[in-house]
Amino acid sequence: GDSVTQMEGPVTLSEEAFLTINCTYTATGYPSLFWYVQYPGEGLQLLLKATKADDKGSNKGFEATYRKETTSFHLEKGSVQVSDSAVYFCALSEVSGAGSYQLTFGKGTKLSVIP
Amino acid sequence: DAMVIQNPRYQVTQFGKPVTLSCSQTLNHNVMYWYQQKSSQAPKLLFHYYDKDFNNEADTPDNFQSRRPNTSFCFLDIRSPGLGDAAMYLCATSRERAYQPQHFGDGTRLSIL
Repeated sequence: GDSVTQMEGPVTLSEEAFLTINCTYTATGYPSLFWYVQYPGEGLQLLLKATKADDKGSNKGFEATYRKETTSFHLEKGSVQVSDSAVYFCALSEVSGAGSYQLTFGKGTKLSVIP
Repeated sequence: DAMVIQNPRYQVTQFGKPVTLSCSQTLNHNVMYWYQQKSSQAPKLLFHYYDKDFNNEADTPDNFQSRRPNTSFCFLDIRSPGLGDAAMYLCATSRERAYQPQHFGDGTRLSIL
């Protein structure tokens, strides 16, 4: 079945540091890929998405490129802020042969940014 | 703003006492989902409605039920909550079932006494 593997956290960075959170996936077809962010005590918010190979999703300074050859969708930001402290989830969406439709999430990576 | 609203934000119930969580949406989306998220874990899909068509995940316990009386509202009923059901419950919507980002509510944190 489909699966998403993302780097274990927690990740602690100083403000203005460069961020990379690795994400790789396995899927049988051509999934759409997503990064969601969850701030403390809140639900998930879509951060960015990519629907086909070589697409780059971007939002709020975050970027991720859909790499089919390496089955990866790594999240990057050039300069993190304290307000970026949250849990980040990589996810994929694919229609299965059994007709099951759902997001498959990674386990999440907790990011803490210190001043 | 169009959004997904969950009530209440925090719910406390007693062991074995039925509880209902509610979700409403102003997005007019066809699909509504319920997820269970335990501490430091990824959300786990319990079931979803595509319009009025209910789709239960194979490993969702029978203790969990859902109702969708109309497009805007969806309810999660836990018939006899156990201590293991303490979690954050997230409602989400999408226009169609696949290839759509899901829009999440802020969740209801359920505690069991």
